[in-house]
Amino acid sequence: AQKVTQAQTEISVVEKEDVTLDCVYETRDTTYYLFWYKQPPSGELVFLIRRNSFDEQNEISGRYSWNFQKSTSSFNFTITASQVVDSAVYFCALIVLRGANSKLTFGKGITLSVRP
Amino acid sequence: ETGVTQTPRHLVMGMTNKKSLKCEQHLGHNAMYWYKQSAKKPLELMFVYNFKEQTENNSVPSRFSPECPNSSHLFLHLHTLQPEDSALYLCASSQEPGRVKNIQYFGAGTRLSVL
Repeated sequence: AQKVTQAQTEISVVEKEDVTLDCVYETRDTTYYLFWYKQPPSGELVFLIRRNSFDEQNEISGRYSWNFQKSTSSFNFTITASQVVDSAVYFCALIVLRGANSKLTFGKGITLSVRP
Repeated sequence: ETGVTQTPRHLVMGMTNKKSLKCEQHLGHNAMYWYKQSAKKPLELMFVYNFKEQTENNSVPSRFSPECPNSSHLFLHLHTLQPEDSALYLCASSQEPGRVKNIQYFGAGTRLSVL
């Protein structure tokens, strides 16, 4: 069985601070995919990134960056120079592809509040 | 705009009412999902449809009845709900669940309150 742990439940920062959201996962499979989603107050989950288990290269997209480390089973997400619009709930998720039985396993989410 | 539209956005119903939630996707996907999001809990997968066929029922009570008339539309029929069913119900779509390029795209959800 798969498990995703987001130990931080709520984080509050002041605008322009950097913030890192932690994600630790568990799976016995060697092939899997990791995701981050953002859920703003409007409700929809917005897809941010997908990373496969064979690609440990870190990724940067504007103010967002992701650090994937298989050795520690972590897939952490850093927002640089945070903005008020970054306030949302962030979910980390894991999927192991098993045909029709492929299911996303989500963490409980981290509520990020960015204050002006 | 994720390409997945859910209606209504908000719904208040009594325990004896019958209502339906609707989801429509414009992404050309073949799989659709219903999730339940309750406060302080991880998203719970309820149902999965792949090419209009139900492939997953995650032990959901029969008071929730899904319907998938085609790959673009998904409904969740509700009847005799309980107050603990109050939650945000999210719909998602993707290519077939087992494909490498499977990324689920979500709608904005229906906020359901059962009185």
